[in-house]
Amino acid sequence: DVKVTQSSRYLVKRTGEKVFLECVQDMDHENMFWYRQDPGLGLRLIYFSYDVKMKEKGDIPEGYSVSREKKERFSLILESASTNQTSMYLCASSSTGGLYEQYFGPGTRLTVT
Amino acid sequence: GQSLEQPSEVTAVEGAIVQINCTYQTSGFYGLSWYQQHDGGAPTFLSYNALDGLEETGRFSSFLSRSDSYGYLLLQELQMKDSASYFCAVREANQAGTALIFGKGTTLSVSS
Repeated sequence: DVKVTQSSRYLVKRTGEKVFLECVQDMDHENMFWYRQDPGLGLRLIYFSYDVKMKEKGDIPEGYSVSREKKERFSLILESASTNQTSMYLCASSSTGGLYEQYFGPGTRLTVT
Repeated sequence: GQSLEQPSEVTAVEGAIVQINCTYQTSGFYGLSWYQQHDGGAPTFLSYNALDGLEETGRFSSFLSRSDSYGYLLLQELQMKDSASYFCAVREANQAGTALIFGKGTTLSVSS
C-alpha cells in the first residue's frame, strides 16, 4: 500500500513565524503535490514537483515555497506565517504512469494566531 | 484557464441512486478523475475516464462525454457510509502536465 505521511496532524503557529510542513511517500513516486483545503473552496494546488529539485507553481503559490532534495520528501515552507494561511494542508504523490491517481496524506491542520 | 463546476450539495436516502455532475472547461483535456473524501479524512481515488462512456466499479460508475465537456459519478444502492464529499478533477494542461485541478466538491448526505 502506498503511504504518504505528514509530519504533524495539528500545528499552531504565531504570525510571522517560519513554518515547515514535511511530507514523505514510500512508493518511489516521481510527482508530489501540496494543496490547501478550505470550506467551499475545494482543493487548491500550491506547488508541485515532478522530480528531485524540480518545482512548479500551482494556483496559489504566493506566501509559500517548497523544497525537494530527495525523491521521497517534499517540504512546504511558509516564510512568514499569516492568519490567512490558517487551513488544512494536504500532501499527495503520484507516479508518472498513474497521473490521475494521487495518493494523499492525512493532512496538517495549521492554525496561525 | 481551466475550471470545473459541480453542485455544492446533494441529499439522498439509503438505497437510492444519486448522480453528481461535473462540467469542465480546459485548454487541453486528457481525462476526468473522481475522488471521495470523508469528513476528517484524506481524499481517495475512485475512478478515471479518458474515453467517452461508462466505467463501472461495483456500486459506483463514472461517465464521460468529451464532446459535451461533461461527466458524472453515479452512486447506486446508497449506504450511510457514502456520505462524503466527492471531487472531480482534470489534468492540468501545462508544460509539466502532471498536476490535477480539482472542482470545489459536492457534499453528499445520505439519510435513513
